[in-house]
Amino acid sequence: QPVLTQPPSASGTPGRRVTISCSGTSSNIGSNDVSWYQQLPGTAPKVLIYRNDHRPSGVPDRFSGSKSGISASLAISGLQSEDEADYYCAAWDDNRGSPVLGGGTKLTVL
Amino acid sequence: QVQLVQSGAEVKKPGASLNVSCRASGYAFSGYSINWVRQAPGQGLEWMGWISAYNGYTSYAQKFQGRVTMTTDTPTSTAYMELRGLKSDDTAKYYCARGLQYLTSGLDVWGQGTTVIVSS
Repeated sequence: QPVLTQPPSASGTPGRRVTISCSGTSSNIGSNDVSWYQQLPGTAPKVLIYRNDHRPSGVPDRFSGSKSGISASLAISGLQSEDEADYYCAAWDDNRGSPVLGGGTKLTVL
Repeated sequence: QVQLVQSGAEVKKPGASLNVSCRASGYAFSGYSINWVRQAPGQGLEWMGWISAYNGYTSYAQKFQGRVTMTTDTPTSTAYMELRGLKSDDTAKYYCARGLQYLTSGLDVWGQGTTVIVSS
């Protein structure tokens, strides 16, 4: 059972904005940084956002992250067909002394 | 360039042991930890554990404690994951991923994955 809670699915039409939520507790999201990962079909995950809202070089600025309290969100603006993928959130958990992951959200571009 | 290259696909019988390697290049191996994450067919990511390449400290997910061992070999910049007592539900793709403690930079480099099939 994943420790962080994500909606199993999300969808949007090309050009629109979609957000994916990630909910945790005070021991993980509430006190540590959140990162987000994109997994395209048949490929390894790739980091999209780290430290809540930082984008690695090469990640388009259409992708943005935010965190408030024990929740975090990934926003994708100007949705494109190639954004169709699975998205995962992750954070360090102080109680476990290890990373914890969300169950993943499958994004469909309609 | 910075990369992690994993060993090839494996087919194992139930009860056997699995050894997956993850060779790092392009960065200072000892400066990061290596995490192991697996993904069963059609399922989400499952974190298995991590090892500090600096001092060999390990932390395993409770589900795998007693069955998994993670090690590193600094001279060859290689991390290893051994999983014993394989069962059919260990069939998955296994990934190694680079990270820092507290995930401050996220898991920023991933291996290509190693497909493991456990079947009699």
